[in-house]
Amino acid sequence: GAVVSQHPSRVICKSGTSVKIECRSLDFQATTMFWYRQFPKQSLMLMATSNEGSKATYEQGVEKDKFLINHASLTLSTLTVTSAHPEDSSFYICSASRDSHYGYTFGSGTRLTVV
Amino acid sequence: DAKTTQPPSMDCAEGRAANLPCNHSTISGNEYVYWYRQIHSQGPQYIIHGLKNNETNEMASLIITEDRKSSTLILPHATLRDTAVYYCIVRVPLDTGRRALTFGSGTRLQVQP
Repeated sequence: GAVVSQHPSRVICKSGTSVKIECRSLDFQATTMFWYRQFPKQSLMLMATSNEGSKATYEQGVEKDKFLINHASLTLSTLTVTSAHPEDSSFYICSASRDSHYGYTFGSGTRLTVV
Repeated sequence: DAKTTQPPSMDCAEGRAANLPCNHSTISGNEYVYWYRQIHSQGPQYIIHGLKNNETNEMASLIITEDRKSSTLILPHATLRDTAVYYCIVRVPLDTGRRALTFGSGTRLQVQP
Protein backbone atom coordinates (compact mmCIF):
# COMPACT_ATOMS: atom_id res chain seq x y z
CA GLY A 1 0.00 0.00 0.00
CA ALA A 2 0.84 3.64 0.34
CA VAL A 3 0.06 5.08 3.76
CA VAL A 4 0.53 8.67 4.87
CA SER A 5 0.25 9.47 8.55
CA GLN A 6 -0.39 12.99 9.78
CA HIS A 7 -0.09 14.16 13.36
CA PRO A 8 -1.66 15.71 15.35
CA SER A 9 -5.23 15.36 14.18
CA ARG A 10 -6.36 18.32 16.24
CA VAL A 11 -4.52 21.13 17.95
CA ILE A 12 -5.60 24.23 19.79
CA CYS A 13 -3.00 26.88 20.39
CA LYS A 14 -2.83 30.39 21.70
CA SER A 15 -2.37 33.31 19.38
CA GLY A 16 1.30 34.10 18.89
CA THR A 17 2.58 30.57 19.47
CA SER A 18 3.92 28.12 16.90
CA VAL A 19 2.51 24.75 15.95
CA LYS A 20 4.25 21.89 14.17
CA ILE A 21 2.39 19.37 12.04
CA GLU A 22 4.09 16.14 10.93
CA CYS A 23 3.45 14.15 7.79
CA ARG A 24 5.01 10.71 7.41
CA SER A 25 4.99 8.24 4.56
CA LEU A 26 4.87 4.94 6.42
CA ASP A 27 5.60 2.33 3.76
CA PHE A 28 7.28 4.24 0.99
CA GLN A 29 9.79 7.00 0.43
CA ALA A 30 8.55 10.34 -0.81
CA THR A 31 10.98 12.84 -2.26
CA THR A 32 8.08 15.23 -2.64
CA MET A 33 5.19 15.92 -0.33
CA PHE A 34 2.43 18.47 -0.62
CA TRP A 35 0.71 20.67 1.93
CA TYR A 36 -2.84 21.91 1.51
CA ARG A 37 -5.09 24.16 3.53
CA GLN A 38 -8.86 23.94 3.58
CA PHE A 39 -11.25 26.48 5.03
CA PRO A 40 -14.84 25.51 5.94
CA LYS A 41 -17.02 24.66 2.95
CA GLN A 42 -14.15 25.32 0.54
CA SER A 43 -11.96 23.07 -1.53
CA LEU A 44 -8.35 22.14 -0.81
CA MET A 45 -5.86 24.84 -1.69
CA LEU A 46 -2.25 23.90 -2.31
CA MET A 47 0.08 25.81 -0.02
CA ALA A 48 3.47 24.40 -0.86
CA THR A 49 5.46 21.57 -2.32
CA SER A 50 7.96 20.04 0.05
CA ASN A 51 11.14 18.64 -1.47
CA GLU A 52 13.46 16.34 0.43
CA GLY A 53 16.82 17.96 0.98
CA SER A 54 15.92 21.29 -0.55
CA LYS A 55 13.74 24.32 -0.04
CA ALA A 56 10.01 24.08 -0.34
CA THR A 57 8.17 25.74 -3.19
CA TYR A 58 5.35 27.96 -2.00
CA GLU A 59 2.22 28.91 -3.89
CA GLN A 60 1.51 32.53 -4.58
CA GLY A 61 0.16 34.31 -1.54
CA VAL A 62 1.51 31.82 0.99
CA GLU A 63 4.04 33.37 3.37
CA LYS A 64 7.10 31.17 3.51
CA ASP A 65 8.30 32.77 6.74
CA LYS A 66 5.02 32.01 8.43
CA PHE A 67 4.56 28.47 7.16
CA LEU A 68 7.92 26.79 7.61
CA ILE A 69 8.34 23.50 5.81
CA ASN A 70 11.10 21.02 6.53
CA HIS A 71 11.57 17.81 4.57
CA ALA A 72 14.66 16.38 6.19
CA SER A 73 14.13 12.76 5.28
CA LEU A 74 12.42 10.71 2.61
CA THR A 75 9.60 9.82 4.96
CA LEU A 76 8.95 12.98 6.95
CA SER A 77 7.84 16.49 6.15
CA THR A 78 6.84 19.02 8.78
CA LEU A 79 4.80 22.20 8.54
CA THR A 80 5.29 24.75 11.29
CA VAL A 81 2.78 27.55 11.58
CA THR A 82 4.73 30.33 13.28
CA SER A 83 3.20 33.11 15.33
CA ALA A 84 -0.23 31.69 14.72
CA HIS A 85 -3.24 33.97 14.55
CA PRO A 86 -6.95 33.15 14.55
CA GLU A 87 -7.08 33.57 10.78
CA ASP A 88 -4.65 30.64 10.48
CA SER A 89 -7.31 28.37 11.95
CA SER A 90 -7.96 25.83 9.24
CA PHE A 91 -7.74 22.20 8.20
CA TYR A 92 -4.23 21.33 7.03
CA ILE A 93 -3.68 18.24 4.89
CA CYS A 94 -0.52 16.65 3.54
CA SER A 95 -0.14 14.35 0.56
CA ALA A 96 2.45 12.23 -1.14
CA SER A 97 2.65 9.76 -3.96
CA ARG A 98 4.42 6.43 -4.07
CA ASP A 99 4.26 6.23 -7.83
CA SER A 100 1.81 6.70 -10.67
CA HIS A 101 0.25 3.29 -10.02
CA TYR A 102 -0.68 4.20 -6.45
CA GLY A 103 -1.58 7.77 -7.18
CA TYR A 104 -1.77 10.26 -4.35
CA THR A 105 -2.31 9.37 -0.71
CA PHE A 106 -3.48 11.94 1.78
CA GLY A 107 -2.99 12.30 5.48
CA SER A 108 -6.04 12.42 7.69
CA GLY A 109 -5.62 16.15 8.21
CA THR A 110 -4.93 18.44 11.16
CA ARG A 111 -7.59 20.74 12.51
CA LEU A 112 -5.82 23.83 13.83
CA THR A 113 -7.70 26.24 16.05
CA VAL A 114 -5.94 29.39 17.18
CA VAL A 115 -7.53 31.14 20.15
CA ASP B 1 -4.68 19.99 -16.49
CA ALA B 2 -7.96 20.05 -18.31
CA LYS B 3 -10.75 21.98 -16.64
CA THR B 4 -13.57 19.92 -15.12
CA THR B 5 -17.15 20.88 -14.36
CA GLN B 6 -19.25 19.10 -11.74
CA PRO B 7 -22.64 19.86 -10.24
CA PRO B 8 -22.22 21.43 -6.81
CA SER B 9 -24.50 19.01 -5.02
CA MET B 10 -26.54 15.85 -5.45
CA ASP B 11 -28.80 13.71 -3.30
CA CYS B 12 -29.15 9.98 -3.46
CA ALA B 13 -31.30 7.50 -1.56
CA GLU B 14 -29.50 4.91 0.50
CA GLY B 15 -29.19 1.62 -1.39
CA ARG B 16 -29.65 3.24 -4.76
CA ALA B 17 -26.97 3.94 -7.32
CA ALA B 18 -25.32 7.34 -7.18
CA ASN B 19 -24.28 8.67 -10.58
CA LEU B 20 -21.93 11.62 -10.40
CA PRO B 21 -21.21 13.40 -13.70
CA CYS B 22 -18.12 15.29 -14.74
CA ASN B 23 -17.54 17.32 -17.88
CA HIS B 24 -14.01 17.65 -19.23
CA SER B 25 -14.48 18.79 -22.80
CA THR B 26 -10.89 20.03 -23.23
CA ILE B 27 -9.27 16.77 -22.15
CA SER B 28 -6.22 15.85 -24.17
CA GLY B 29 -5.22 12.42 -25.39
CA ASN B 30 -2.76 11.59 -22.64
CA GLU B 31 -4.83 12.84 -19.71
CA TYR B 32 -6.54 10.47 -17.35
CA VAL B 33 -9.71 11.01 -15.36
CA TYR B 34 -9.27 10.59 -11.61
CA TRP B 35 -11.88 10.55 -8.89
CA TYR B 36 -11.23 11.27 -5.25
CA ARG B 37 -13.63 11.87 -2.42
CA GLN B 38 -13.39 13.67 0.88
CA ILE B 39 -15.50 12.65 3.80
CA HIS B 40 -16.06 15.44 6.28
CA SER B 41 -12.96 16.33 8.31
CA GLN B 42 -10.80 13.70 6.63
CA GLY B 43 -8.16 13.76 3.93
CA PRO B 44 -9.20 12.95 0.36
CA GLN B 45 -9.36 9.31 -0.65
CA TYR B 46 -8.60 7.87 -4.06
CA ILE B 47 -11.52 6.11 -5.71
CA ILE B 48 -10.75 5.20 -9.30
CA HIS B 49 -9.17 6.43 -12.50
CA GLY B 50 -9.29 5.68 -16.20
CA LEU B 51 -8.10 6.75 -19.63
CA LYS B 52 -10.81 5.71 -22.08
CA ASN B 53 -12.15 2.33 -21.12
CA ASN B 54 -14.73 1.86 -18.43
CA GLU B 55 -13.21 0.85 -15.13
CA THR B 56 -14.55 -0.90 -12.07
CA ASN B 57 -13.09 -1.62 -8.68
CA GLU B 58 -14.43 -2.51 -5.26
CA MET B 59 -15.51 1.05 -4.60
CA ALA B 60 -17.04 2.29 -7.83
CA SER B 61 -17.34 2.19 -11.59
CA LEU B 62 -16.12 4.84 -13.98
CA ILE B 63 -17.82 5.34 -17.30
CA ILE B 64 -16.00 7.53 -19.81
CA THR B 65 -17.80 8.58 -22.98
CA GLU B 66 -16.33 7.58 -26.30
CA ASP B 67 -15.23 11.13 -27.10
CA ARG B 68 -13.80 11.36 -23.55
CA LYS B 69 -15.41 14.72 -22.99
CA SER B 70 -17.36 13.56 -19.99
CA SER B 71 -17.46 10.78 -17.44
CA THR B 72 -19.68 9.39 -14.72
CA LEU B 73 -18.68 7.92 -11.40
CA ILE B 74 -21.12 5.29 -10.25
CA LEU B 75 -21.49 4.13 -6.67
CA PRO B 76 -23.71 1.08 -7.24
CA HIS B 77 -25.33 0.87 -3.82
CA ALA B 78 -24.82 4.10 -1.94
CA THR B 79 -24.64 4.00 1.84
CA LEU B 80 -24.70 6.79 4.39
CA ARG B 81 -20.91 6.44 4.63
CA ASP B 82 -20.66 7.55 1.00
CA THR B 83 -21.80 11.05 1.94
CA ALA B 84 -18.81 13.16 0.90
CA VAL B 85 -17.48 15.67 -1.59
CA TYR B 86 -16.45 13.96 -4.81
CA TYR B 87 -13.72 15.46 -6.95
CA CYS B 88 -13.15 14.74 -10.63
CA ILE B 89 -9.60 15.59 -11.70
CA VAL B 90 -8.09 15.34 -15.16
CA ARG B 91 -4.32 15.21 -15.61
CA VAL B 92 -1.41 13.28 -17.03
CA PRO B 93 0.02 10.59 -14.76
CA LEU B 94 3.62 10.97 -15.82
CA ASP B 95 4.49 13.59 -13.22
CA THR B 96 2.67 11.88 -10.39
CA GLY B 97 4.51 12.58 -7.18
CA ARG B 98 6.30 15.66 -8.46
CA ARG B 99 3.30 17.91 -9.05
CA ALA B 100 0.37 18.30 -6.71
CA LEU B 101 -3.21 17.45 -7.45
CA THR B 102 -5.40 20.47 -8.06
CA PHE B 103 -8.90 20.30 -6.64
CA GLY B 104 -11.95 22.04 -8.00
CA SER B 105 -15.10 22.56 -6.00
CA GLY B 106 -16.38 19.00 -6.48
CA THR B 107 -19.85 17.56 -5.96
CA ARG B 108 -21.27 17.29 -2.49
CA LEU B 109 -23.16 14.00 -2.40
CA GLN B 110 -25.70 13.58 0.36
CA VAL B 111 -26.97 10.05 0.79
CA GLN B 112 -30.39 10.12 2.38
CA PRO B 113 -31.69 7.33 4.66
